[in-house]
Amino acid sequence: GIQVEQSPPDLILQEGANSTLRCNFSDSVNNLQWFHQNPWGQLINLFYIPSGTKQNGRLSATTVATERYSLLYISSSQTTDSGVYFCAVAVAAGNKLTFGGGTRVLVKP
Amino acid sequence: GAVVSQHPSWVICKSGTSVKIECRSLDFQATTMFWYRQFPKQSLMLMATSNEGSKATYEQGVEKDKFLINHASLTLSTLTVTSAHPEDSSFYICSARRQGPDGYTFGSGTRLTVV
Repeated sequence: GIQVEQSPPDLILQEGANSTLRCNFSDSVNNLQWFHQNPWGQLINLFYIPSGTKQNGRLSATTVATERYSLLYISSSQTTDSGVYFCAVAVAAGNKLTFGGGTRVLVKP
Repeated sequence: GAVVSQHPSWVICKSGTSVKIECRSLDFQATTMFWYRQFPKQSLMLMATSNEGSKATYEQGVEKDKFLINHASLTLSTLTVTSAHPEDSSFYICSARRQGPDGYTFGSGTRLTVV
């Protein structure tokens, strides 16, 4: 099956700093999503981005499908950005999502 | 819109007993639902895919006789952990597929502790 790798595994930021999270995948995908898992376990959908670039407030994401990677940018980080960020992909429409290992982010005040 | 309700949010049970977890799509019909398991500080691992009215498809290494999945209606799927043991303690999350390219909605998860 498809392999999804995320880096870095852990990230400690000072409030206000910017950061980039990376997601590499081993095959062509039909769906790529970024999620934020809060401390209570709830998964929040951040972006649906199988290709191209999107922005939502302080977050933006870029997927280069031909090179099989995606980046999530966090700008002016806040303590509420802490949590685990997951990249998940599907190889066909309606197919199961395969998750990467996640990046655990801690933003310190 | 697109809300998935998962219950219970946490449960403690004795070793050897069975536990049922419900996953409901509240405002849409979900022909396909997915069940994931997440151990502490690990990623989500897919356990099975359930389609309404048919048998679930289990991932390799997941015991279908231990993790019983029923998807009897377009809005409800259940996962029953039978004869639970401490190693089954984990966070279980369901996801319902809805129409649209980004159509995956996740429940809030169930934290199972087997003592």
